[in-house]
Amino acid sequence: DADVTQTPRNRITKTGKRIMLECSQTKGHDRMYWYRQDPGLGLRLIYYSFDVKDINKGEISDGYSVSRQAQAKFSLSLESAIPNQTALYFCATSDPRTGAAEQYFGPGTRLTVT
Amino acid sequence: AQSVSQHNHHVILSEAASLELGCNYSYGGTVNLFWYVQYPGQHLQLLLKYFSGDPLVKGIKGFEAEFIKSKFSFNLRKPSVQWSDTAEYFCAVSGGGGGSNYKLTFGKGTLLTVNP
Repeated sequence: DADVTQTPRNRITKTGKRIMLECSQTKGHDRMYWYRQDPGLGLRLIYYSFDVKDINKGEISDGYSVSRQAQAKFSLSLESAIPNQTALYFCATSDPRTGAAEQYFGPGTRLTVT
Repeated sequence: AQSVSQHNHHVILSEAASLELGCNYSYGGTVNLFWYVQYPGQHLQLLLKYFSGDPLVKGIKGFEAEFIKSKFSFNLRKPSVQWSDTAEYFCAVSGGGGGSNYKLTFGKGTLLTVNP
């Protein structure tokens, strides 16, 4: 779904490096989310943002930070990458006017930390 | 805290077999329930959702799910699977009733392999 895009799609980096993953959306949704997916663990919420000025930690925020540059952009940073941050990262959006938390996902970024 | 349990980690079926994937949730209030599907190498897509009303919901590609409130369950079914249904399936729950119930909690997923 081109409404939510993520860059890069794949990235290999070394331990200790800083890396930023970017997410953009054209759906006009106020809410944006970052998840990581690990085999056998499903998706776990890292950070979420209800609007540009409202950013909140999810269940696994340690080692990550985020920036909501605009309604349409939400970036995830790993300040000092470590191997156990190797995972598939997804950005998602939702529209609070629907009431429910139906979310729309980007294509994912596969990150490998060596 | 809300949680979701998917009973089967990996299900292997032959084409035309019937499918039922189990999902149980824990949440102390009104819920919204979802099934998402992730085809190999792709992102998550919404398969179906339950907000209110008829507890039997129909989704895309012939899938359906039944919300049984007394059992805290939302099992996914399909009468006859196809090879193209090979994917990972995730059950998810959120609080219902308003925009403040942001959190979507996912189960760990069930990998479905359909052999031709």
